[in-house]
Amino acid sequence: EPEVTQTPSHQVTQMGQEVILRCVPISNHLYFYWYRQILGQKVEFLVSFYNNEISEKSEIFDDQFSVERPDGSNFTLKIRSTKLEDSAMYFCASSDRIEGAFFGQGTRLTVV
Amino acid sequence: GQQVMQIPQYQHVQEGEDFTTYCNSSTTLSNIQWYKQRPGGHPVFLIQLVKSGEVKKQKRLTFQFGEAKKNSSLHITATQTTDVGTYFCAALGGTYKYIFGTGTRLKVLA
Repeated sequence: EPEVTQTPSHQVTQMGQEVILRCVPISNHLYFYWYRQILGQKVEFLVSFYNNEISEKSEIFDDQFSVERPDGSNFTLKIRSTKLEDSAMYFCASSDRIEGAFFGQGTRLTVV
Repeated sequence: GQQVMQIPQYQHVQEGEDFTTYCNSSTTLSNIQWYKQRPGGHPVFLIQLVKSGEVKKQKRLTFQFGEAKKNSSLHITATQTTDVGTYFCAALGGTYKYIFGTGTRLKVLA
């Protein structure tokens, strides 16, 4: 069964450092998303990406965040200067819009 | 922005009892999706409802979309320990933006 894969599974970084979270969406999907979930809380929308550009973004997705689809298969989320409050589980998801989104296993980001 | 509220926040049931979670929006929804997240896991898509009053079943799970398309419910008959997890509804909050509800965490006591 096709799945969304995310790397790394866990990333520890110093405050102020840049991190790149990587995702390989399901190959025939056209819509890509990043969500985050602070431990025990709800799943928060960050950004959606379609046709090689950002479709929508939340107020969380400020200038410190960026997304890229550099090579037609990978989909990355970059946080330029991490803050302590960026610590969360980051989920990548993809969909074909006929069904719901398929989520990856997530990257747990810990900012120290 | 759009908010989707779920009740209850937590539910503990004895194995074999039924369970229901409700999802409510102040605005009319174009569709509603339901996801399950096991402890330590990722959200897994369960179902999408589109039509007013729609009812769909998956084995012991029954999903309903309200007539006014402002609320939805998920009912589990005769819960099992494998049903443990958090159940989220998600509503389209823009063209390409799904807003997740606050979630209902289900614990099943054997």
